Amino acid sequence: EVQLLESGGGLVQPGGSLRLSCAASGFTFSSYAMTWVRQAPGKGLEWVSAIRINGGGTYYAGSVKGRFTISRDNSKNTVYLEMNSLRDDDTAVYYCARVTGDYRGINWFDPWGQGTLVTVSS
Amino acid sequence: DIQMTQSPSSLSASVGDRVTITCRASQSISTYLNWYQKKPGNAPKLLIYAASNLQSGVPSRFSGSGSGTDFTLTISSLRPEDFATYYCQQSYISLTFGGGTKVDIK
Repeated sequence: EVQLLESGGGLVQPGGSLRLSCAASGFTFSSYAMTWVRQAPGKGLEWVSAIRINGGGTYYAGSVKGRFTISRDNSKNTVYLEMNSLRDDDTAVYYCARVTGDYRGINWFDPWGQGTLVTVSS
Repeated sequence: DIQMTQSPSSLSASVGDRVTITCRASQSISTYLNWYQKKPGNAPKLLIYAASNLQSGVPSRFSGSGSGTDFTLTISSLRPEDFATYYCQQSYISLTFGGGTKVDIK
């Protein structure tokens, strides 16, 4: 069974840092791009970041560019999201998801983990 | 950036109703459009990929159509477990979600 398990969320003060992890199992992790998506309280889904299969390409939403860093360790089947200079509006549930695509380059996210809550507050 | 606009933002419907949700892109995205279902406390679930392809395991009452800038998600006969929020997402340029459509009980 394909599974994704996020961890590392918690309460952090504004300006602080946090590292999220997403452990994958049930599939060949090194063959898939991975992504992070978040949902702030009462808000919709927001794409955050994505990383290619070998980590050679990383992509970020404008709202987190320069503050967040995505990485992966294919030997540990894990993708990470290093979050620095956290702000109140980074408060959200953070989900990781596997990226699947077709020959046209259309990409979709499936499956998703259950998420980890990040609260930025003083 | 490509903006994705969903309408309506919410709707009330009854079990058995046919429900249609619309997603409009700010520029043409061919069929680079996916649909997800989100319930409170649960992970998002992929329903439709590449505009019209039903994800494995998703009931056939869900269908998607469209290309270019206009897309629809249709639930042919609403079931109690379908009350949720639905999101479209484009992957043509970068990745963007629509604002969501909440489907609740009339």
